[in-house]
Amino acid sequence: QSVLTQPPSVSGAPGQRVTISCTGSSSNIGAGYDVHWYQQLPGTAPKLLIYGNSNRPSGVPDRFSGSKSGTSASLAITGLQAEDEADYYCQSYDSSLGVFGGGTKLTVL
Amino acid sequence: EVQLVESGGGLVQPGGSLRLSCAASGFTFSSYWMSWVRQAPGKGLEWVANIKQDGSEKYYVDSVKGRFTISRDNAKNSLYLQMNSLRAEDTAVYYCARSIVVPAPLDYWGQGTLVTVSS
Repeated sequence: QSVLTQPPSVSGAPGQRVTISCTGSSSNIGAGYDVHWYQQLPGTAPKLLIYGNSNRPSGVPDRFSGSKSGTSASLAITGLQAEDEADYYCQSYDSSLGVFGGGTKLTVL
Repeated sequence: EVQLVESGGGLVQPGGSLRLSCAASGFTFSSYWMSWVRQAPGKGLEWVANIKQDGSEKYYVDSVKGRFTISRDNAKNSLYLQMNSLRAEDTAVYYCARSIVVPAPLDYWGQGTLVTVSS
C-alpha cells in the first residue's frame, strides 16, 4: 500500500491528452511539500519528469505538465506519442523521507 | 557527466547480510543528500533511506528500521547500504539517487543492482 494514491493504469490514442492523478494527505502533499513526477521506461531506471509540482527539467518536452492543489497533484500529457508508453510515479515527502505513489502504467493505444 | 553506479547485489539467504555500494562521479558528492530507493519485481518504487551531506541525519522507511544502515564516505564519493536480517520481501532492484536538499526531487539515478533473498 503506497502512501500516495495513483490509478494503476491509463490509456489514450496517439495525439490525445491523458491525466494521471496523485492523492496524498495532510502529512505529505497537504503539508506543503512539492510533488515530483518520474517516468520509467521498461527495463530502465526512473527519470525525473516534473519537479516542484509544475517545472520541467531541461530536455523534457512541453507536452508534459504538472499541477498541485490541496492534497492532490496531477500529471498531464498532451499529444500522446508511442514513446510515452511507460510507468509514471508521483513523489513527495513525509517529514524528511520521500514517499511515492504506486505508479501508473500508461498505454498508448 | 553525472554518474551513479551501484554494485554489491546478488543472491542471499533469508537472515543473511549484504552491503550495497554506489560510486558517484561527475558532481560534488559531498554537496548532495543521497538516497536508496528499491523496486520489487513488477512492483512500484519504495523509498528506503536517505542521508544528509555530512551524514549527520539519516532516515529510514519503517520496514527496514533496525536492519538496514545507510552511510557515506565523501572522501571516496561513495554511498553504502548495509542490509542485515534480510527477508524475502527485501528482494528488489536497489537504486541510489541524489537530491540537492530535502525535500528536493531525485534528479539523477543509478542503473540499479538486484538483490534476491531466497533459500
